Amino acid sequence: DTAVSQTPKYLVTQMGNDKSIKCEQNLGHDTMYWYKQDSKKFLKIMFSYNNKELIINETVPNRFSPKSPDKAHLNLHINSLELGDSAVYFCASSQVRDLPYEQYFGPGTRLTVT
Amino acid sequence: GIQVEQSPPDLILQEGANSTLRCNFSDSVNNLQWFHQNPWGQLINLFYIPSGTKQNGRLSATTVATERYSLLYISSSQTTDSGVYFCAVERGSGTYKYIFGTGTRLKVLA
Repeated sequence: DTAVSQTPKYLVTQMGNDKSIKCEQNLGHDTMYWYKQDSKKFLKIMFSYNNKELIINETVPNRFSPKSPDKAHLNLHINSLELGDSAVYFCASSQVRDLPYEQYFGPGTRLTVT
Repeated sequence: GIQVEQSPPDLILQEGANSTLRCNFSDSVNNLQWFHQNPWGQLINLFYIPSGTKQNGRLSATTVATERYSLLYISSSQTTDSGVYFCAVERGSGTYKYIFGTGTRLKVLA
């Protein structure tokens, strides 16, 4: 059973398009995250949702909008894609109420914008 | 903002050797975590360690919060330890921040 799954695994699209990446966790966790890893392997947190409420919203363009329909899902929608959006996007989940908490990561979605 | 620096940036070891990876941070933090990203890109949470010492098999970590650093020890390294090791700090006072270090790329040779 996959704990944290992401779809699609690879996404190639043209500049200006709108795309979504889906994430689902079956661990019963209360918090989910989106991270971006650029071509130099630098990791940055983008968003965090706790029980469907946004708790972290780092400085990312407004073109990025997370949507959490329920605790088990956190989708990432990107409007008007730009070349600089090319990266690997990781979803993760954790049970933050119970310390120490461990984050479980999805396999990543490699987004290439041409 | 808070700076997180990791050293060394690159490390090559012979299988069986021990190593120490360091994470320095420039301000007080509420939380510190270590992650491993294997050569296939999978990220794994190794330790949640805002202070003190923890051990998990051949890996252990120590955070000295008052001196603003954390160390990750790898003993009897194996080829499966290869990959990139990241530390990340969480700062919750005022504006919430979660910052990753730039990573240490480790290659263990058979």
